[in-house]
Amino acid sequence: QVHLVESGGGVVQPGRSLRLSCGASGFIFSNSAMNWVRQAPGKGLDWVSVISFDGRNKYYAESVKGRFTISRDNSKNTLYLQMNSLRPEDTAVYYCARGYCSGSRCDGLHDSFDVWGQGTVVTVSS
Amino acid sequence: QSVLTQPPSVSGAPGQRVTISCTGSRSNIGAGYNVHWYQQLPGTAPKLLIYGNNNRPSGVPDRFSGSKSGTSASLAITGLQAEDEADYYCQSYDSSLSGPVVFGGGTKLTVL
Repeated sequence: QVHLVESGGGVVQPGRSLRLSCGASGFIFSNSAMNWVRQAPGKGLDWVSVISFDGRNKYYAESVKGRFTISRDNSKNTLYLQMNSLRPEDTAVYYCARGYCSGSRCDGLHDSFDVWGQGTVVTVSS
Repeated sequence: QSVLTQPPSVSGAPGQRVTISCTGSRSNIGAGYNVHWYQQLPGTAPKLLIYGNNNRPSGVPDRFSGSKSGTSASLAITGLQAEDEADYYCQSYDSSLSGPVVFGGGTKLTVL
């Protein structure tokens, strides 16, 4: 059974850091691009970042570039999101999601997201 | 303001057909990039509904279908059921500074 479980969320003050984790099971983690997608309270989905299957390629939304870092450990089947210089507008539920490439452009940026975790809540507040 | 524009809400009676539009531009849908659709039931994580414009993952009923034309895409739901009441999002790639991965603002479907 394919499964993603996020952890690491919590309440943090503006300017501080937090690291999220996403544990994967039920599929070959090292074969899949992985993403972080967030959803602010009462708002829509907002893509954050993607990392290629081998960790070599990483892309970020402009809103988090330079502050967030995505990484993965394929030996542990785990995806990470290091979030620094957090702002109140980063408050959201953070989901990890597996990328699924159905076309010819398999660079992680054209994927659909076929498996999602349950999300972890990050609240940035003083 | 989302790069992909969806109506905030649509509604329909049980058994009816509804469509949800996703309007983009030449830097995303109009450039030929794939559109994907998600369903998010209240309090749950999103679920992939349509990928690659018009493909259904295993387990998604054929009441759900996707299409794309020009700079827009649409999700159609036929034989509307009470359990279809949810938020729906489109997603695509965008080659402008707004990208690279963009979602529509979401559409709330109400089953009357």
